[in-house]
Amino acid sequence: AQSVAQPEDQVNVAEGNPLTVKCTYSVSGNPYLFWYVQYPNRGLQFLLKYITGDNLVKGSYGFEAEFNKSQTSFHLKKPSALVSDSALYFCAVRDPGPAGRRALTFGSGTRLQVQP
Amino acid sequence: GAVVSQHPSWVICKSGTSVKIECRSLDFQATTMFWYRQFPKQSLMLMATSNEGSKATYEQGVEKDKFLINHASLTLSTLTVTSAHPEDSSFYICSARDDPGNSGNTIYFGEGSWLTVV
Repeated sequence: AQSVAQPEDQVNVAEGNPLTVKCTYSVSGNPYLFWYVQYPNRGLQFLLKYITGDNLVKGSYGFEAEFNKSQTSFHLKKPSALVSDSALYFCAVRDPGPAGRRALTFGSGTRLQVQP
Repeated sequence: GAVVSQHPSWVICKSGTSVKIECRSLDFQATTMFWYRQFPKQSLMLMATSNEGSKATYEQGVEKDKFLINHASLTLSTLTVTSAHPEDSSFYICSARDDPGNSGNTIYFGEGSWLTVV
């Protein structure tokens, strides 16, 4: 079975400071990993994904994430946070193997609050 | 990026009636679409996988007869909540994968539909 854990319900950071939103995963094989952002009463917007290749993945709005196989982590990062980054962030995983689900499995979400 | 359109965004219906929510992939074909449900301040829970031209695959605990899914074309899937009750009130989100031939491709999401049953 595939699963995702986002250990922090909320992350608070001051504008201009670096931010990290944590994510760990569990799949039987090599994972496909995704980050999405959700603004209030809206759907999910795709930020970035890791399928294969470089462990550091760059995505939309200056976000990046680092795939760490040994720690089974895929933390989302941004060097300098903006107030407009305040939103709900979801990490998701898919197991591409024959026994894996085609749908994404989501973490519980982390609310990012960036203070001016 | 690819666009997934969901309609209606908001709907209020009376108990006992049925409501249909549409999910369209606007600039790509999607042989597979997914329907999720999200309760306030919670994560997304997969309800079913919609397969073009065949029956949907429902997750355990999701009533097939209550949540009817139809995926009649490569760009349209519909979710019909039948005989709606107040406990069906929720945020429903659809998603679609933009290339059936490459399982790693991104899954894009619609804007969601708020259903309130009164």
